[in-house]
Amino acid sequence: DGGITQSPKYLFRKEGQNVTLSCEQNLNHDAMYWYRQDPGQGLRLIYYSQIVNDFQKGDIAEGYSVSREKKESFPLTVTSAQKNPTAFYLCASSFGAEAFFGQGTRLTVV
Amino acid sequence: AQSVTQPDIHITVSEGASLELRCNYSYGATPYLFWYVQSPGQGLQLLLKYFSGDTLVQGIKGFEAEFKRSQSSFNLRKPSVHWSDAAEYFCAVVGAGNNRKLIWGLGTSLAVNP
Repeated sequence: DGGITQSPKYLFRKEGQNVTLSCEQNLNHDAMYWYRQDPGQGLRLIYYSQIVNDFQKGDIAEGYSVSREKKESFPLTVTSAQKNPTAFYLCASSFGAEAFFGQGTRLTVV
Repeated sequence: AQSVTQPDIHITVSEGASLELRCNYSYGATPYLFWYVQSPGQGLQLLLKYFSGDTLVQGIKGFEAEFKRSQSSFNLRKPSVHWSDAAEYFCAVVGAGNNRKLIWGLGTSLAVNP
């Protein structure tokens, strides 16, 4: 089945460590997105990529980094510079205007 | 700037009652509009979308939405709510420009009483 796979579903890290969240899609979509979700704040865009080897900052990119070396993959690294990294992270891809979402990764930093 | 407003943060309805979730947008041209649903701890699933044509659109799970240009609204409705409809609902509009990023409302949390 085609879709978007985020792994792991739950992730725990110590403060000060970098951590990478995986996002893979087999929908053959050009565009991919990373969102952060906190209670009551909706979805906030971290980074997006419209084509391989190119990506742009979203609204809250500070403390995050991404790469897009393959069409299928768009990993997100949460760096130690992110002051409040504990959150639910959603990856999406799109064909035209419609977005398709993964099941999310809940990151907890202790 | 484009924006999406969902005026109701939280709504509680009884099972079997009708439901209307409000969505207002700010956008200069004809928008592409979406409603998504999110169950706790899950990703978002598309309920329905409006691009053009008939202003009343049907979606999955018995939902429908009506685009009203004069009111800049795209309200979501369901005639009879089921307990399994309890979830977070998000309205979104595609922004202007070539990047076609989605602009999101803050969501409406729906609780269903038995």
